[in-house]
Amino acid sequence: QVQLQESGPGLVKPSETLSLTCTVSGGSISSDYWSWIRQPPGKGLEWIGYIYYSGSTNYNPSLKSRVTISVDTSKKQFSLKLSSVTAADTAVYYCANKIGSYSARFDYWGQGTLVTVSS
Amino acid sequence: QSVLTQPPSASGTPGQRVTISCSGGSSNIGSNTVNWYQQLPGTAPKLLIYSSNQRPSGVPDRFSGSKSGTSASLAISGLQSEDEADYYCAAWDDSLNGPVFGGGTKLTVL
Repeated sequence: QVQLQESGPGLVKPSETLSLTCTVSGGSISSDYWSWIRQPPGKGLEWIGYIYYSGSTNYNPSLKSRVTISVDTSKKQFSLKLSSVTAADTAVYYCANKIGSYSARFDYWGQGTLVTVSS
Repeated sequence: QSVLTQPPSASGTPGQRVTISCSGGSSNIGSNTVNWYQQLPGTAPKLLIYSSNQRPSGVPDRFSGSKSGTSASLAISGLQSEDEADYYCAAWDDSLNGPVFGGGTKLTVL
């Protein structure tokens, strides 16, 4: 069974760049679409973007100008960078695998990591 | 404001059947399948229903999904206390060119 684990700083200063990494175990990273989803405290889920193992990406238009997702298949990791963060970017960030190209089916999720934007 | 619309709350008593609705449009539910997620307090979401009405292995058959036009529903029969959670619908949106989620429904078991 695929397992996902997020890692990265839990506190980021305003205007800086949020960086998170997701490590995949128990399965191959050379399939599926590897995604980032976030959830502000007490609110709903928001899709951030995803990357295919080949490197092609797709980002939420509302975040596209600030988001970069990359993949390192040799390490079985994919990463998220979100620039120029503000308090509105405070959220639990989840990594997940998306099944299928035109799909909102996320089979496996990481446990999530809370990132707080504050000085 | 979420692209898919869900009621913010729902409730039922143990053993009862409850349904949660999810309303969208022609670019999402109207042309793509719907997925449902269960989020227990303090945990990550878990896939509950995919392709509108399919259950992943391990999900009890008390949970069922349906879709008609631009709306979808999640039904839970034989309600149990452990079903108390937040439920989210999700679908691909052709206009956004990405997945969209509903705002979530908090289910309370009375």
